[in-house]
Amino acid sequence: KQEVTQIPAALSVPEGENLVLNCSFTDSAIYNLQWFRQDPGKGLTSLLLIQSSQREQTSGRLNASLDKSSGRSTLYIAASQPGDSATYLCAVQWGGSYIPTFGRGTSLIVHP
Amino acid sequence: GAVVSQHPSRVICKSGTSVKIECRSLDFQATTMFWYRQFPKQSLMLMATSNEGSKATYEQGVEKDKFLINHASLTLSTLTVTSAHPEDSSFYICSASGRGKETQYFGPGTRLLVL
Repeated sequence: KQEVTQIPAALSVPEGENLVLNCSFTDSAIYNLQWFRQDPGKGLTSLLLIQSSQREQTSGRLNASLDKSSGRSTLYIAASQPGDSATYLCAVQWGGSYIPTFGRGTSLIVHP
Repeated sequence: GAVVSQHPSRVICKSGTSVKIECRSLDFQATTMFWYRQFPKQSLMLMATSNEGSKATYEQGVEKDKFLINHASLTLSTLTVTSAHPEDSSFYICSASGRGKETQYFGPGTRLLVL
């Protein structure tokens, strides 16, 4: 069964810290992996999309890496800010399937 | 990147009424569109998959007569929640996939509250 797991489920850090969110998946034959942000009561905002052939993607203070062989992706947030507080979701699409599988998310709080 | 919009972003309705939610691909042609539902503090659950010009395929446990899906064009799909009840209150999110591409692009979601 193809599954996506995100650890930790919740994280609270002081402002300014660099932090890493983890996403693991059970089948390495992925098509792509996306990281999303979701604010409370709001929709999904796509942060980074990594295709199967890529190792990482960067956008501003965010960097997402992909290691298919170990079934892992990490989202690195540099110099965290209170505005980064949100739930971060990882979604994996496997080859041959149109349907991504979502993790349950990591709820991040960055306190001043 | 590809942009998908949803309208409305938030809707409040009375029990028994029907609500229509639109999903549009703004800068690409979406062969396939997907509808998801998200319960509080839960991940997204796929409700149905629709291909342009054909009937939607519903996931097990999703009532097709209650959640009507129409994908009449390559840029628009609609989800109609018929005779809505409070238990239908949820966050509905659509995504779209273009011709020959498998990456899904997600809309911002619609929050439905049924009183």
